[in-house]
Amino acid sequence: QQQVKQSPQSLIVQKGGISIINCAYENTAFDYFPWYQQFPGKGPALLIAIRPDVSEKKEGRFTISFNKSAKQFSLHIMDSQPGDSATYFCAARSGGSNYKLTFGKGTLLTVNP
Amino acid sequence: DSGVTQTPKHLITATGQRVTLRCSPRSGDLSVYWYQQSLDQGLQFLIQYYNGEERAKGNILERFSAQQFPDLHSELNLSSLELGDSALYFCASSAGRPEPEQFFGPGTRLTVL
Repeated sequence: QQQVKQSPQSLIVQKGGISIINCAYENTAFDYFPWYQQFPGKGPALLIAIRPDVSEKKEGRFTISFNKSAKQFSLHIMDSQPGDSATYFCAARSGGSNYKLTFGKGTLLTVNP
Repeated sequence: DSGVTQTPKHLITATGQRVTLRCSPRSGDLSVYWYQQSLDQGLQFLIQYYNGEERAKGNILERFSAQQFPDLHSELNLSSLELGDSALYFCASSAGRPEPEQFFGPGTRLTVL
């Protein structure tokens, strides 16, 4: 059972455009939603994260939009650059006594110059 | 650089063998998480340790085991290796409550021949 569904699987955007990646979750016990960026041969790097009591969070060119009632959240990358080309993963954390992350399957973003 | 270190970077071994992957968390972080990344399964949580004690288990096979030592470094032991165990293995660390952020190491690429 895939608890976090991510789409699209791949995305091609022109330089300067907006990249949008969507995720949906099922478990209402999730209480923290991070996005990770991964370059080939590297580990995932924390990009930005949001808690469900906030509907939007912005850090530079990266924005998370969160819709608690729909159990959906999305990553927007404004003014996309070729250096943003990477795989992006959404994740959700279970509450309680452990902080394990459940990841989406990832989106391969390519930004063409 | 996340501050999490993993060794070795690459590991090539044969079916039936046993290997040990090592992880040193960020300075001060008490929690260590192990994840497996494969093309078909994506990023999957294996196990979490907090200050030397097992805190949560995910999709970890019985052939796999882990431990966290008093100096907080962790080792993931994989035995009776099968071809399907070939994957990237990541370690992540976090400070624990109340900070949920997990920081990933560069990973160990395991190839089972």
